[in-house]
Amino acid sequence: ETGVTQTPRHLVMGMTNKKSLKCEQHLGHNAMYWYKQSAKKPLELMFVYNFKEQTENNSVPSRFSPECPNSSHLFLHLHTLQPEDSALYLCASSQAPGIDEQFFGPGTRLTVL
Amino acid sequence: AQSVSQHNHHVILSEAASLELGCNYSYGGTVNLFWYVQYPGQHLQLLLKYFSGDPLVKGIKGFEAEFIKSKFSFNLRKPSVQWSDTAEYFCAVIFTGGGNKLTFGTGTQLKVEL
Repeated sequence: ETGVTQTPRHLVMGMTNKKSLKCEQHLGHNAMYWYKQSAKKPLELMFVYNFKEQTENNSVPSRFSPECPNSSHLFLHLHTLQPEDSALYLCASSQAPGIDEQFFGPGTRLTVL
Repeated sequence: AQSVSQHNHHVILSEAASLELGCNYSYGGTVNLFWYVQYPGQHLQLLLKYFSGDPLVKGIKGFEAEFIKSKFSFNLRKPSVQWSDTAEYFCAVIFTGGGNKLTFGTGTQLKVEL
């Protein structure tokens, strides 16, 4: 248990569906992140939030829409995804963005049909 | 652009063998360096990190890594691996002054055989 939880752990969705991934951290951190982990590729940073404000959007397509209502919760809203978006989506948190160790959640395994 | 390279994609060792996994990065400035491990079915967790000071860093479970600035390297070592070390290992770098993003290598899958 890392103090970062993600739900759901597995998600299968069609290309026309709308779904959301949820991340919650219980570590009192101020920064939260979304990463995409695909087979045989490095983890790709998607978004960074610091004190609820988005500070990084790593050229992510608009079909991925993040939301950070407070420093403990982070969502990733998904709509009209493509099969190539199938991957493991990881949430992480740290005390401050970009400097400290990041703590990762278990991930959501997403399959887009 | 800054990048992180892990040259060994798959490594198979017998128990008690010594381990060294390579990690190189491309950036001439200040870096913060990390090794993460992902055991089968588990989340990514930190093995060790280097920010400054002694370039030989000791982490959990008997792992250590050495920062060699002149070689832009941060190789991970363990003198004697165990079956339970079977996992995927990721080198990651924060290029300070370069957006402070954590950039990962592609990972090395280690299998330790009994």
